[in-house]
Amino acid sequence: NAGVTQTPKFQVLKTGQSMTLQCAQDMNHNSMYWYRQDPGMGLRLIYYSASEGTTDKGEVPNGYNVSRLNKREFSLRLESAAPSQTSVYFCASSESAGIAGEQFFGPGTRLTVL
Amino acid sequence: AQSVTQLDSQVPVFEEAPVELRCNYSSSVSVYLFWYVQYPNQGLQLLLKYLSGSTLVKGINGFEAEFNKSQTSFHLRKPSVHISDTAEYFCALSGSARQLTFGSGTQLTVLP
Repeated sequence: NAGVTQTPKFQVLKTGQSMTLQCAQDMNHNSMYWYRQDPGMGLRLIYYSASEGTTDKGEVPNGYNVSRLNKREFSLRLESAAPSQTSVYFCASSESAGIAGEQFFGPGTRLTVL
Repeated sequence: AQSVTQLDSQVPVFEEAPVELRCNYSSSVSVYLFWYVQYPNQGLQLLLKYLSGSTLVKGINGFEAEFNKSQTSFHLRKPSVHISDTAEYFCALSGSARQLTFGSGTQLTVLP
């Protein structure tokens, strides 16, 4: 099992460019999440999908869109990148969105916006 | 609203010494508490979790944590650390919302 995979691992964008971060999990989990990690701020939830076909905003959704393509895949799109979106992005999945569920994390995507 | 405070951003400690990483939380409802570890250039992985029952929880790699409801704390401890424990540690809670709220992290550096 690969667990949670993310592509790309690194990306540099210019202000105003768009891109999509891809995430896939092979654990048959129902719920998936996108976080951003910034120094001294821990992880903050951007969007999550409790189950296939549903998505909800997290703490910091502005400037992002998501698509739950199927049960395995959950993508994050930046329509017009800004320097404030320079961060490390993590995708995670869990068996369900129940509050006691362990989340499994991917290796992250390091994004720099110039 | 719920929040997690990790009181120390950096904790240096010598190899084979004990360590405690502190975590306090705030929530108006009952919570579940977690500790995750992040090794350099990797994603997070679960160390241990408190759901209910015994307030002393044991996790992987010899770590344990104690849930203290009256002090709203969930401190992480290890009696003897190794160089390989060098990593960033995150405390997190899950309350009424179906989301995890993370603390800002504590960088543990084990010195030879």
